[in-house]
Amino acid sequence: KNEVEQSPQNLTAQEGEFITINCSYSVGISALHWLQQHPGGGIVSLFMLSSGKKKHGRLIATINIQEKHSSLHITASHPRDSAVYICAVMDRLEYGNKLVFGAGTILRVKS
Amino acid sequence: KAGVTQTPRYLIKTRGQQVTLSCSPISGHRSVSWYQQTPGQGLQFLFEYFSETQRNKGNFPGRFSGRQFSNSRSEMNVSTLELGDSALYLCASRPGQNTEAFFGQGTRLTVV
Repeated sequence: KNEVEQSPQNLTAQEGEFITINCSYSVGISALHWLQQHPGGGIVSLFMLSSGKKKHGRLIATINIQEKHSSLHITASHPRDSAVYICAVMDRLEYGNKLVFGAGTILRVKS
Repeated sequence: KAGVTQTPRYLIKTRGQQVTLSCSPISGHRSVSWYQQTPGQGLQFLFEYFSETQRNKGNFPGRFSGRQFSNSRSEMNVSTLELGDSALYLCASRPGQNTEAFFGQGTRLTVV
């Protein structure tokens, strides 16, 4: 079983829809990251969180430490949101900034 | 403020050769991590350098090595290249422990 599981693997949405991507992990963590990767490879960090909820524009990330679960929400989705969304965790028992990644969720938003 | 810069962006090498990739972090960032991304294995951690010291290492063979210079720039080296080393290699810099990661655009290595 992978340490970090994401669902769904693929997601197609209509423009304007509310989107949720889920991430579950099995280790104790010091922080969780949500990353966005567009075709071409570059990765952008969307959020880093260790508790509660963060919001940036149309993006919201939540984490429940007790349940070892995080969600990424996109409100009023737009075709430019089409990308791969990756959840990554930092194991609190590991020294340094090592990240363990989920397999990613491929999101396609149709206009 | 300039972002994380990786060079070269694309590289084609032959099996058995070696390759060196470079990563210039954001000014002031002391932590540089390297990652390998392949279609089959996804993103995997290679190693992290902090203040010129390797702080953590992933589960990769000894052919993969790296170093960090006093100006925080980092290089990774892969010797005796194999076809399976074809991947996107990403580096990320951070100002310190448990802080947000800033990624470069990656170097796409193709081994033929």
